[in-house]
Amino acid sequence: AQKVTQAQTEISVVEKEDVTLDCVYETRDTTYYLFWYKQPPSGELVFLIRRNSFDEQNEISGRYSWNFQKSTSSFNFTITASQVVDSAVYFCALKKRAGNMLTFGGGTRLMVKP
Amino acid sequence: GAVVSQHPSWVICKSGTSVKIECRSLDFQATTMFWYRQFPKQSLMLMATSNEGSKATYEQGVEKDKFLINHASLTLSTLTVTSAHPEDSSFYICSARDPNYNEQFFGPGTRLTVL
Repeated sequence: AQKVTQAQTEISVVEKEDVTLDCVYETRDTTYYLFWYKQPPSGELVFLIRRNSFDEQNEISGRYSWNFQKSTSSFNFTITASQVVDSAVYFCALKKRAGNMLTFGGGTRLMVKP
Repeated sequence: GAVVSQHPSWVICKSGTSVKIECRSLDFQATTMFWYRQFPKQSLMLMATSNEGSKATYEQGVEKDKFLINHASLTLSTLTVTSAHPEDSSFYICSARDPNYNEQFFGPGTRLTVL
C-alpha cells in the first residue's frame, strides 16, 4: 500500500521568510513518481512538479526548490523569500509507475502574512 | 498544457434532488478520468476511475448507486449525485489523463452544497 504523510498541517510565516514543507512517502515499488500541487483558495489544483524515483537530482524553479531524498523517502518543498500569494494548501502526491492512481498527502496549509 | 473544465463551478440544491457535474478535456482525448471528493480542510480522496466506454471503478466505501459516473466519450465524463443529502456537500474535482504526457490534469472543481 502507498502512503503519503505531510506532518505539517498548518504553517504560518511572515513575508520574505523561507519555508520548507515536508513530505514523507511509503511505497513498495521501485519505480514511482512524486508530485507537488498547490491549491489556492479558489480550489483549483495547480501542478508544480513531477519527479521520477530514479532522478534524485534536486530541482530549482525560481523561488521554489525541491529536495528528493530516496534514502529517507522524503520529497521536501522549499519556498524562498515567501510572498503573500504563496498562501495556499500544498499537496504532495505519489503515483506508481504502472497505473494512474494518485495518492495524496493530507496537505499543508501555508499562510504568508505581510 | 492540457486543459480540463468542470461545469458547474458551484451548485446549491435541495435535499433529495440529483445533481450532475460534467468534466471535459478540452484539447486532448482522455480514455481515463478520475473523480475526487474533498471535504473542508481535508485532502483529496479518490472516488472512482472513469473509463471511456466501460463501467467506472469505484473505491472502497463509495456507493455506486449514489454516485453515478458516465464516460460516454473521450472528452466527457459526468458524475451524478443522486438523491443528494447535506452530507454530500463537498468539493468535487475531476482529473483527466492525457496519454500524450501520461499525466493527470485537474479540473477547477465543483462546490456542491445540499440544503
